[in-house]
Amino acid sequence: GAVVSQHPSWVICKSGTSVKIECRSLDFQATTMFWYRQFPKQSLMLMATSNEGSKATYEQGVEKDKFLINHASLTLSTLTVTSAHPEDSSFYICSAMLDTDTQYFGPGTRLTVL
Amino acid sequence: GENVEQHPSTLSVQEGDSAVIKCTYSDSASNYFPWYKQELGKGPQLIIDIRSNVGEKKDQRIAVTLNKTAKHFSLHITETQPEDSAVYFCAGRGWTKLSFGAGTTVTVRA
Repeated sequence: GAVVSQHPSWVICKSGTSVKIECRSLDFQATTMFWYRQFPKQSLMLMATSNEGSKATYEQGVEKDKFLINHASLTLSTLTVTSAHPEDSSFYICSAMLDTDTQYFGPGTRLTVL
Repeated sequence: GENVEQHPSTLSVQEGDSAVIKCTYSDSASNYFPWYKQELGKGPQLIIDIRSNVGEKKDQRIAVTLNKTAKHFSLHITETQPEDSAVYFCAGRGWTKLSFGAGTTVTVRA
């Protein structure tokens, strides 16, 4: 199957700092990528849709100035959590569209804000 | 938008028995239904999917059935093994994005 990677796999940062998470499609090009957030024992919550070469589309309630998304190439999307606070601690997962339907997920990034 | 409901929330089966997870969806325009398996601390892994022009699809021990009239679809795992223990998510896709069920924690008892 198609492979999606994320880096880093985990990160610990101090409150007030910014953290960047990378999502790469390794063996296919993805015009569209997605960013999700997952709390323990819960389902995936879509944060935003990232389209190559255009602005991301954010879901209702997601602060676009806090969660900056850049999709500069067909294989890379980045999520930057700006001025992170403890409540931003979560498991962040990206996915990439292989075709019009099929979506493959990355391994996730565990963010802990102290 | 699409609303996907998933049952049961937890499922414990004896090794070798079958496991069935059921999902319902609300948007009749939805036409793509994937299933994902998520192990602890990892991202979801696509295990099987079905499109609305197909009623059933099999891949070794895994099968998915779709009833468009009733708007429900199910995942069947036969001859369960300990490595099948994980959280399983169903999803439905309408016009733009996937909507996920709440997940089913499957435990296979040895």
